[in-house]
Amino acid sequence: NAGVMQNPRHLVRRRGQEARLRCSPMKGHSHVYWYRQLPEEGLKFMVYLQKENIIDESGMPKERFSAEFPKEGPSILRIQQVVRGDSAAYFCASSPPGQGAANEKLFFGSGTQLSVL
Amino acid sequence: DAKTTQPNSMESNEEEPVHLPCNHSTISGTDYIHWYRQLPSQGPEYVIHGLTSNVNNRMASLAIAEDRKSSTLILHRATLRDAAVYYCILIRGTSYGKLTFGQGTILTVHP
Repeated sequence: NAGVMQNPRHLVRRRGQEARLRCSPMKGHSHVYWYRQLPEEGLKFMVYLQKENIIDESGMPKERFSAEFPKEGPSILRIQQVVRGDSAAYFCASSPPGQGAANEKLFFGSGTQLSVL
Repeated sequence: DAKTTQPNSMESNEEEPVHLPCNHSTISGTDYIHWYRQLPSQGPEYVIHGLTSNVNNRMASLAIAEDRKSSTLILHRATLRDAAVYYCILIRGTSYGKLTFGQGTILTVHP
């Protein structure tokens, strides 16, 4: 059973370009979470999605950032017009349907390291 | 979510037990205590969790104080691969996977 798959592992963009980060959750998981880890900082929650729905985007910057989790295919975190401050590691996590995370565990991917030149 | 306090860093020797403390004096009755760890250049990895009773799994043990205001993650025999940042996180019983990561404890394991 493959784990949470994120790609690309490393992504380099110039200022003003778009970045698309992909996350394929574990098989059977329908809940996806995105976290960001800025250099020398802790992990911060960004957004929680279920299939075709955004449940909680309270941690997402209001502009330039968007996320989706379509019925088919991976979850996508999209950053438009990237700036140097977007350089960070972006982690995706998944969990199965019907569980409350308080008594279960999240499975994290290895992350995408975004570097903005 | 209630706040947790952990030492910034700890050191251990290989093959020795490690006790990683966590204080959570404002924990509520429905808060679960979770531990995750993050190895260098990797995503966080679940270690263990519990509510009131002590818990054991293949990776570690979790000892929870009777008043639940503190807990200790126990690695019975540290290996070099256990060198990581360890996070103690409280998750409310009605919550979902919106974890609040603090700074964690950086564990260094010496050969």
